[in-house]
Amino acid sequence: ELKVEQNPLFLSMQEGKNYTIYCNYSTTSDRLYWYRQDPGKSLESLFVLLSNGAVKQEGRLMASLDTKARLSTLHITAAVHDLSATYFCAVWENRDDKIIFGKGTRLHILP
Amino acid sequence: EAEVAQSPRYKITEKSQAVAFWCDPISGHATLYWYRQILGQGPELLVQFQDESVVDDSQLPKDRFSAERLKGVDSTLKIQPAELGDSAMYLCASSLAQWGTSGGSSYNEQFFGPGTRLTVL
Repeated sequence: ELKVEQNPLFLSMQEGKNYTIYCNYSTTSDRLYWYRQDPGKSLESLFVLLSNGAVKQEGRLMASLDTKARLSTLHITAAVHDLSATYFCAVWENRDDKIIFGKGTRLHILP
Repeated sequence: EAEVAQSPRYKITEKSQAVAFWCDPISGHATLYWYRQILGQGPELLVQFQDESVVDDSQLPKDRFSAERLKGVDSTLKIQPAELGDSAMYLCASSLAQWGTSGGSSYNEQFFGPGTRLTVL
C-alpha cells in the first residue's frame, strides 16, 4: 500500500527566507500533485508532476520530482506572508487508480 | 471558469440524525470523488464514481454512509445516523479521467469543490 510522508508537518519562517518541503512516497508512481489549502477552504491545485526530473515553477514556488528516489520537493523562495497555508502532496497509486495524500505541511510565514 | 459545486457549505446536526451533501462536478468530468478530511489531516477517499458506477468504496463506512450518482452527473453523499466522529470537511472532486486508463498531461488531475463542513453535536 502506498504511503506518503511529508516533512516538516509544521513550518514557521520569516518573510524573505527560503525553505523546502519534502514529500517521500513508498512505491512506484506515475505522477505527483501539490495542492494548497487555506484555513477552512478547499484544495487548490498548484502543480502536476508527471516524469522523473520534472520541475515546475509558479511565482515563488518551485516543485520537482525524482521518481527514482521517490521524492518530491516544494521550494519556497523569498517567502511572503500570502504563502501561509497548508501544502499537500498527493501521489497517484497506479494499482488502484487513486491518489493518496500526505498529512500536509502547515506553513506559517511571519511578517 | 468551470468549478465543482457543493452544498451546503456548513451543516450542524445532532448525533443520530441523517445528513446529506450534494456535489455537482465540472461539466464533462466522468470521474467523481468524495473525500473526508479530518482537521489537521489530509483528505481520505471515501468513494469514487466512474459515470454512475462505483469503482472504489473500500473506505466508505457502509453501515452508515451511502453515495449515489444516479445519472452520472451530480452526486449525493448521505450519513445516517451521524456520529460525533463524523465531524469533518467533506470534499468533492472531479476529473476527466476514465478509471483504469492512463491519460497524458493533467488527465487525472482532480479539481476540488469548496467542501461541506459538518459538525455533529
